[in-house]
Amino acid sequence: LAKTTQPISMDSYEGQEVNITCSHNNIATNDYITWYQQFPSQGPRFIIQGYKTKVTNEVASLFIPADRKSSTLSLPRVSLSDTAVYYCLVGPNDYKLSFGAGTTVTVRA
Amino acid sequence: DAGVIQSPRHEVTEMGQEVTLRCKPISGHDYLFWYRQTMMRGLELLIYFNNNVPIDDSGMPEDRFSAKMPNASFSTLKIQPSEPRDSAVYFCASRLWSGDEAFFGQGTRLTVV
Repeated sequence: LAKTTQPISMDSYEGQEVNITCSHNNIATNDYITWYQQFPSQGPRFIIQGYKTKVTNEVASLFIPADRKSSTLSLPRVSLSDTAVYYCLVGPNDYKLSFGAGTTVTVRA
Repeated sequence: DAGVIQSPRHEVTEMGQEVTLRCKPISGHDYLFWYRQTMMRGLELLIYFNNNVPIDDSGMPEDRFSAKMPNASFSTLKIQPSEPRDSAVYFCASRLWSGDEAFFGQGTRLTVV
């Protein structure tokens, strides 16, 4: 599995856009990039998945450059309820869903 | 569907006792995962099943831990004997196919005293 590196923590304020970049230099051709969100005392929740270029849903956008060695999760206009840990996972479709340390995002009023 | 259901939600037991955690995956999902989460070690994958068959148990910490999936709608994680260092939140997750999103249960908070 490709190793991922993401910041340990990020601070933001309500209404701002938060961008979390994940590095995955050894990504393989058949690897997908997936992001999960975990609130305190809850299990992780799927946010978004992509292979290349840009993917957008009602929660976030995922930007993947052409070389796919990194990806950026963008959370538009965050609120206090977006305070959570965000995990970047990289692997093929049969990957075993291993989570790293994640990025703790703290949104302040 | 009610989602992934774990029981119990909280468990307090004495060191040396057997502990059994239970999980009911979402109906029709082919994959089931067991995780353990602590502040020190984060979210660790213990074992996962595909079509009720254990595929990778390399994350199971030691022989005191065992997991079974007797049918598509039920799985157990057993710790025997339990130790204080087993105290953690244990999550179960399931997904429909290998590339699909995974759905997590609410977790079982285990405290071994």
